[in-house]
Amino acid sequence: SAVISQKPSRDICQRGTSLTIQCQVDSQVTMMFWYRQQPGQSLTLIATANQGSEATYESGFVIDKFPISRPNLTFSTLTVSNMSPEDSSIYLCSVLVSGGSYGYTFGSGTRLTVV
Amino acid sequence: GENVEQHPSTLSVQEGDSAVIKCTYSDSASNYFPWYKQELGKGPQLIIDIRSNVGEKKDQRIAVTLNKTAKHFSLHITETQPEDSAVYFCAAILPGGGRRALTFGSGTRLQVQP
Repeated sequence: SAVISQKPSRDICQRGTSLTIQCQVDSQVTMMFWYRQQPGQSLTLIATANQGSEATYESGFVIDKFPISRPNLTFSTLTVSNMSPEDSSIYLCSVLVSGGSYGYTFGSGTRLTVV
Repeated sequence: GENVEQHPSTLSVQEGDSAVIKCTYSDSASNYFPWYKQELGKGPQLIIDIRSNVGEKKDQRIAVTLNKTAKHFSLHITETQPEDSAVYFCAAILPGGGRRALTFGSGTRLQVQP
């Protein structure tokens, strides 16, 4: 399976600022996803990061708030913009490795606290 | 889209006992069902998965069963150990093009009492 490096692992940010989270994979992957996990909750898909084109967002998530880039097959970033305390969550990168397997791998997550 | 329900939300067992977590899914076309274990401060780790053409799969102390007719699947952990304590998530996915992301259940917090 792929090895994912997600940075930063945690951060405390002031409201109104933005944070960019990086997801680096050690191999080329078919698909990359960004999830949000609010405290004590399950994982909610934010968007699918598409290589070379705009991300596909789920209902309730918009590009202005969560801009995503994916310049190549091994790297993606998620920005949480104009943060408020409600954005305090764990943000997780997930990948689907090429080759037909359904194995979805997750990064260790970024624990974001907005004060 | 797919909807996955998971029960129970919390489960406490004595060390050595078995634990069972159940999930139901809404779309009969779903064809892949993974289970993830998430320890505190870590990302979810895949522990076992099953495809729709298989009824049961086992890996040491962990097994998953799938009932396509009833649209439910279960995780079975035997001889539980304190290190099994974690939050477990089931998930499902629809085949084909379009949305390729997993839909997750709400999670089960398993506590194994020594």
